[in-house]
Amino acid sequence: QVQLVQSGAEVKKPGASVKVSCKASGFSLSDYYMNWVRQAPGQGLQWMAVINPSGRNTRYAQDFQGRVSMTRDTSTSTLYLEVYSLTSEDTAVYWCARLNPGGYFDSWGQGTLVTVSS
Amino acid sequence: QSVLTQAPSVSGAPGQRVTISCSGSSSNIGAGYHVHWYQQHPGKAPKLLIYGNNNRPSGVPDRFSGSTSGTSASLAISGLQAEDETHYYCQSYDSRLSDYVFGSGTKVTVL
Repeated sequence: QVQLVQSGAEVKKPGASVKVSCKASGFSLSDYYMNWVRQAPGQGLQWMAVINPSGRNTRYAQDFQGRVSMTRDTSTSTLYLEVYSLTSEDTAVYWCARLNPGGYFDSWGQGTLVTVSS
Repeated sequence: QSVLTQAPSVSGAPGQRVTISCSGSSSNIGAGYHVHWYQQHPGKAPKLLIYGNNNRPSGVPDRFSGSTSGTSASLAISGLQAEDETHYYCQSYDSRLSDYVFGSGTKVTVL
C-alpha cells in the first residue's frame, strides 16, 4: 500500500539548516507530483513546495523562495526538504504529501517536528 | 494570512447538521478550481474527506458532503457525532499565486 515515512524530529539553533526526508513506498515518485506542507504550532496548513514527476522542476511558495530546497532520489524513493537560515518561526511540523492528478493530497507522511530554539 | 477564509469555529449538538464555509476569490474557487476538504485530529496528518468539490473517498461516511457556489465552498456534516469534533481545512489551487492553497481552518465542537 501507499506509504510515506518521514525522518525523526529535529532540534536546531537559529541560523542553522535542517534537511527532512520522506521515503515513499507502494508507488513510484516518477508518477506523481510530490509536495511539502507545514503547520506551525496551533496554526493551519501551509503549502511550501512541489516537485514534478520527472524531478526536473520544482516550485516554491513565495514565502519560502530562496530559503528552501526540495530534491529527490529516485534510487531510494526518497524526497528531501532542506530549510536554510532557520528562525523560531520555522518551528513546525513538516509533512510530505502526494498530489493526486485531481489536485488534492491523497497520501501524507506522519510528519516531522522541527524545533528551532537557542 | 490564508487565501481561503474559514470561520474559526462552529458548534452543534449531537445529531445536528453543521456547515463549514470556505471563502475564496476569482483566482481560485471562482475560477473553477476544485475544492477539497481535510479532517485533522490533533497530532495527526490531515485526512482527505471530500475531493473534487463533492466526492467522498472510500470509507468516508455519507454524513459528510461538499458543495460550491461562486467563489465559496461548503462542507456539511449531518448527524453530528462526538468523533467529528476536530479541525477541518479546505484546499484549492490559486492561479494568481500558482500555488496550492489551504483555508485557515475551522474547529468543530460537539456540544
